[in-house]
Amino acid sequence: DTAVSQTPKYLVTQMGNDKSIKCEQNLGHDTMYWYKQDSKKFLKIMFSYNNKELIINETVPNRFSPKSPDKAHLNLHINSLELGDSAVYFCASSQALSSNQPQHFGDGTRLSIL
Amino acid sequence: DQQVKQNSPSLSVQEGRISILNCDYTNSMFDYFLWYKKYPAEGPTFLISISSIKDKNEDGRFTVFLNKSAKHLSLHIVPSQPGDSAVYFCAAKGRISNFGNEKLTFGTGTRLTIIP
Repeated sequence: DTAVSQTPKYLVTQMGNDKSIKCEQNLGHDTMYWYKQDSKKFLKIMFSYNNKELIINETVPNRFSPKSPDKAHLNLHINSLELGDSAVYFCASSQALSSNQPQHFGDGTRLSIL
Repeated sequence: DQQVKQNSPSLSVQEGRISILNCDYTNSMFDYFLWYKKYPAEGPTFLISISSIKDKNEDGRFTVFLNKSAKHLSLHIVPSQPGDSAVYFCAAKGRISNFGNEKLTFGTGTRLTIIP
């Protein structure tokens, strides 16, 4: 029973397109996150939402727009895709923002821009 | 500026021996540290953690040591098993600055290979 699931697993598209990645967690957690892992393997936080409210926005270009329809879902929409957006995007969730409970990660979405 | 560093990109250890993975950090505001394990094509999974008020935490074959004065932590796996072959990420939790939110900052990972 998958705890944090994200779709699609792979996404290949052309520069300039708009695409979305979906994420759902069934753990009952209050906080969800998006991370980007680039070609150098840095895993960096992009956004975090707590109970559908944006908490962290790490100077991500405004082409990236997260949407949280409810606390179990955090989707990521990307407009006007650029070559530098090629990366693996991970969704994660945790019990609460300030909790020391660990974050649970999805399996990632590998985005390739042609 | 990389605030969490794992200086060894890879490590090979004989099965049954001890694996020691190291991590250094620069920000004294970090107050909680975690290790994650990652297999190919999967997300990181939580392994073990330690609060900054402790210097050791043990869970089965896994032990994490924290040296606050040196801003260094290490993960010991003993005995190492073939299933331990994975990439291990060190992560630190806390505010990057006085005005920032708490967040996890990850190292770049160490690929551990256990040789049968």
